[in-house]
Amino acid sequence: SYELTQPPSVSVSPGQTARITCSGDALPKQYAYWYQQKPGQAPVLVIYKDSERPSGIPERFSGSSSGTTVTLTISGVQAEDEADYYCQSADSSGTCWVFGGGTKLTVL
Amino acid sequence: QVQLVQSGAEVKKPGSSVKVSCKASGGTFSSYTISWVRQAPGQGLEWMGRIIPILGIANYAQKFQGRVTITADKSTSTAYMELSSLRSEDTAVYYCARDTGGDDYGFDYWGQGTLVTVSS
Repeated sequence: SYELTQPPSVSVSPGQTARITCSGDALPKQYAYWYQQKPGQAPVLVIYKDSERPSGIPERFSGSSSGTTVTLTISGVQAEDEADYYCQSADSSGTCWVFGGGTKLTVL
Repeated sequence: QVQLVQSGAEVKKPGSSVKVSCKASGGTFSSYTISWVRQAPGQGLEWMGRIIPILGIANYAQKFQGRVTITADKSTSTAYMELSSLRSEDTAVYYCARDTGGDDYGFDYWGQGTLVTVSS
């Protein structure tokens, strides 16, 4: 079955830039989405269609795509950005959704 | 403003079934797709399947085929997820989410989650 691969953890100091990657064979053909999840809360969409930002999401969140890898970039990381981040995309047929394993962002 | 409100926590015995509801308000329910996602304790998100209420058509992740049934009642704007033959590994928080599907806006609204505990 199709898989999306994320690093388990990323650590940055406040004010630095955090980059979280997600790899999958179908990513050149399918859009990627990113969700932020804080403990005890439902996920929140932070990026859609690889690089679009929903209303209400701070400008420091951005997304990009290159081949089989998509990247979530958080510029000027703040303490409140500490959370788990999940990428999501569809399989090559577009029939089923898949989530990456998640990346825990730690703000040092 | 779309709101998805899920039913309350459940405790089930192994081998039994559970049915979780997700009531939508705001927007036009029939035009949504509703997906179900679960999260086991300390684990990641796992997509289970989805339904297009206006068509009554559902599709499921291969892992759950034959064990999950997703339905929708347009008259009450409520989607349901039923999981059968429960085992301890099904202990998880189950979420419904509005799936914008072909519009490619992602899962833009989520329910609050329903904890299902499977224990003898």
